[in-house]
Amino acid sequence: DVKVTQSSRYLVKRTGEKVFLECVQDMDHENMFWYRQDPGLGLRLIYFSYDVKMKEKGDIPEGYSVSREKKERFSLILESASTNQTSMYLCASSLRTSGTYEQYFGPGTRLTVT
Amino acid sequence: LAKTTQPISMDSYEGQEVNITCSHNNIATNDYITWYQQFPSQGPRFIIQGYKTKVTNEVASLFIPADRKSSTLSLPRVSLSDTAVYYCLVEGTNAGKSTFGDGTTLTVKP
Repeated sequence: DVKVTQSSRYLVKRTGEKVFLECVQDMDHENMFWYRQDPGLGLRLIYFSYDVKMKEKGDIPEGYSVSREKKERFSLILESASTNQTSMYLCASSLRTSGTYEQYFGPGTRLTVT
Repeated sequence: LAKTTQPISMDSYEGQEVNITCSHNNIATNDYITWYQQFPSQGPRFIIQGYKTKVTNEVASLFIPADRKSSTLSLPRVSLSDTAVYYCLVEGTNAGKSTFGDGTTLTVKP
């Protein structure tokens, strides 16, 4: 089974702190995604990576950056956390092969910024 | 971006068939239609994917008309454990260029 793991299930940080959310997948997937999910707003794409060191902005990249130094690991960075970044963060991965676009999601990290 | 539109919520009773329709007017030739299920405090998980006509697996069927501008997820004989949020996503070779909609909250009642 594909496994996508996220470094923390729950995280509490203070305003202004630098926050790192880590995601690791074990199926050699090329694509990796970071989403945030807020009540009533569904899943919104923050950043996407289709290869090592490659990244593209999603719908809401402001206030976030990402790093992908290894194929299996995709990190989301909040340079200076703010209270409006309190949310559920979901990581996902998928293959790039045509016809198999299923995204596999991690369990999520619930981040609270106080 | 290939944005999808779904009903916000639906109610059903145990044992009934549930059909959830998704609109995706901007679907591209290479795009597939994928449905995900999400329970509270969990990440979404794949249910079914299709390109055209009908696809069936052990948990659901997916109906896609010829113009592919919409799709319908069909859940046969739902149970209480099918209460969840269901998302439709159009995705293809341009990964990261598609967007999850707001999802449909399905509530199954006894």
